[in-house]
Amino acid sequence: EEQLVESGGGVVHPGGSLRLSCAASGFTFITYRMHWVRQAPGKGLVWVSRINEDGKTTTYADSVKGRFTVSRDNAENTLYLQMSGLRVDDTATYYCARGRHLEPADLWGQGTLVTVSS
Amino acid sequence: SYVLTQTPSVSVAPGKTAKITCGGNSIASKSVHWYQHKPGQAPVLVIYYDKDRPSGIPERFAGSNSGNTATLTISRVEDGDEADYYCQVWDNMDPLFGGGTKLTVL
Repeated sequence: EEQLVESGGGVVHPGGSLRLSCAASGFTFITYRMHWVRQAPGKGLVWVSRINEDGKTTTYADSVKGRFTVSRDNAENTLYLQMSGLRVDDTATYYCARGRHLEPADLWGQGTLVTVSS
Repeated sequence: SYVLTQTPSVSVAPGKTAKITCGGNSIASKSVHWYQHKPGQAPVLVIYYDKDRPSGIPERFAGSNSGNTATLTISRVEDGDEADYYCQVWDNMDPLFGGGTKLTVL
């Protein structure tokens, strides 16, 4: 079964750091680019970051640029999101999703909740 | 930058037809994908490339795209269709989502 499972969410103080993981299984991870998408409480889906298949190209939404870093370990079939300088407005459920170039995101994880609060 | 506009909420009685729209400048020139998202669950792709259905998605779900509006049509609505629905296009090589439409089944 094709599956994405996020982990690493939790409660963190403003200015703190957190690393999210997304474990992929049931498909050839290295053939997909991967995305992080978040949903703040009561709000809609917002794209956060993308990493290409080989991990050499990454892009970020302006709201997280310079604070978040996406990476992947293709040997371990795992996607990461290193978040630093966290702000209250980063509070959201974070989803990983797979997709190919200009194709839809056809598999999503169930999300992991990040709460930034003092 | 490109903007996608969705009506925040749509209500429909069971068995009736729901139309959820996604507005964007000349959106017909883009490919539109639609996702269903239920609370606590992973989003699910229900329509891709304007009108194609992934395997496992009922024929009741249909998509169209013309002019400045893409539309997701759900026929014979069921209680289980109650969810948030998001349209998505590609903007500068990365996904752009509409604000979402909450479908309520009366």
